[in-house]
Amino acid sequence: GAGVSQSPSNKVTEKGKDVELRCDPISGHTALYWYRQSLGQGLEFLIYFQGNSAPDKSGLPSDRFSAERTGGSVSTLTIQRTQQEDSAVYLCASSLVAATTGREDNEQFFGPGTRLTVL
Amino acid sequence: DAKTTQPNSMESNEEEPVHLPCNHSTISGTDYIHWYRQLPSQGPEYVIHGLTSNVNNRMASLAIAEDRKSSTLILHRATLRDAAVYYCILRPGTGANSKLTFGKGITLSVRP
Repeated sequence: GAGVSQSPSNKVTEKGKDVELRCDPISGHTALYWYRQSLGQGLEFLIYFQGNSAPDKSGLPSDRFSAERTGGSVSTLTIQRTQQEDSAVYLCASSLVAATTGREDNEQFFGPGTRLTVL
Repeated sequence: DAKTTQPNSMESNEEEPVHLPCNHSTISGTDYIHWYRQLPSQGPEYVIHGLTSNVNNRMASLAIAEDRKSSTLILHRATLRDAAVYYCILRPGTGANSKLTFGKGITLSVRP
């Protein structure tokens, strides 16, 4: 079946511009995460969506970062007034949540990421 | 978040077993031990997880110390495709948001 997809795969932008990154999770997965990975670093949690609950935004580095998840499926991560330090690979992951127990499955499925370069 | 400690890198020969260690001395009773790996230019992929008992799946085995303060990921016969960064992660077994806290992982190189 189809995995997590992200678009664009690469994005080059100029400092100060806004960018939107898209994530299509696996169908039926209600939990969705955004992470970012700077060069040579591990992954850094950004934001988490689960069903209709309020998102956990505790990992967003500044108010220039925001994310939405429309209809419980597709998510968009927006970075306003991009800075050079925003350059990184932005990864999306989704996982299944059991409807009866609310427990999240053990495995997160990651997309291929969007490589963002801010000049 | 409870932290894990891994060596920076390890080398292996193709078709030989590989043992990747991880220390997690501050693990809590409800933390699961998860392993993910990231192949070059790809997103991470799940490898295995466990709580107390050793675990086996088609990709690897996970050996967990009796006191749970360390674990070892075992690849039984390394292939060139296994060259990747391997992350050992503690994930709470309770709570709504089980985000993964990645460290720098261990870079495995496989020699032909």
